[in-house]
Amino acid sequence: AQSVTQLDSHVSVSEGTPVLLRCNYSSSYSPSLFWYVQHPNKGLQLLLKYTSAATLVKGINGFEAEFKKSETSFHLTKPSAHMSDAAEYFCVVSTGSNDYKLSFGAGTTVTVRA
Amino acid sequence: SQTIHQWPATLVQPVGSPLSLECTVEGTSNPNLYWYRQAAGRGLQLLFYSVGIGQISSEVPQNLSASRPQDRQFILSSKKLLLSDSGFYLCAWRTTTQYFGPGTRLTVL
Repeated sequence: AQSVTQLDSHVSVSEGTPVLLRCNYSSSYSPSLFWYVQHPNKGLQLLLKYTSAATLVKGINGFEAEFKKSETSFHLTKPSAHMSDAAEYFCVVSTGSNDYKLSFGAGTTVTVRA
Repeated sequence: SQTIHQWPATLVQPVGSPLSLECTVEGTSNPNLYWYRQAAGRGLQLLFYSVGIGQISSEVPQNLSASRPQDRQFILSSKKLLLSDSGFYLCAWRTTTQYFGPGTRLTVL
């Protein structure tokens, strides 16, 4: 079985400061891991994905995530938050192409203070 | 490139009325297709997924049904809407990565 735990339901940062969104996963097999972002009343947009290549994954909009197998973590970071980063973020795990379903975290809401 | 369409974007329906939400995908063949729902203050709930025409798997027992009449078309339906059916409905398609449509906001009054 696979599952994802997002450790923070809400993160508040000041504009220009770093953002850290924490995600731990549980998987019986080598996982694929994803981060999605959702702005209000919009669909989910893929930020980045890890599929067993480089452990440090760079995504869109300056985000990156590091896969740490020993810690079963896939935390999302950005060096400098922008007002447009205010949104909800989902960490997602999949255990392979034959696994038709993904497991979603509960989401982390990010607010950015001016 | 691949594109996913959902319509309508917003919908307000009375309790007991029928529902039909449509999702179509362009630029890919034989995708896995999914319907999700987000209720207020809750995460994503997988409702249905389909690995091919006419093949539907239901994740939770409920008032909704899904159909896949064509390879790139996925329809979510209900015969009689309930208040609890209100939410944001997302269609998605997947090969190795999952991509989401823009969503439909359904309000049942």
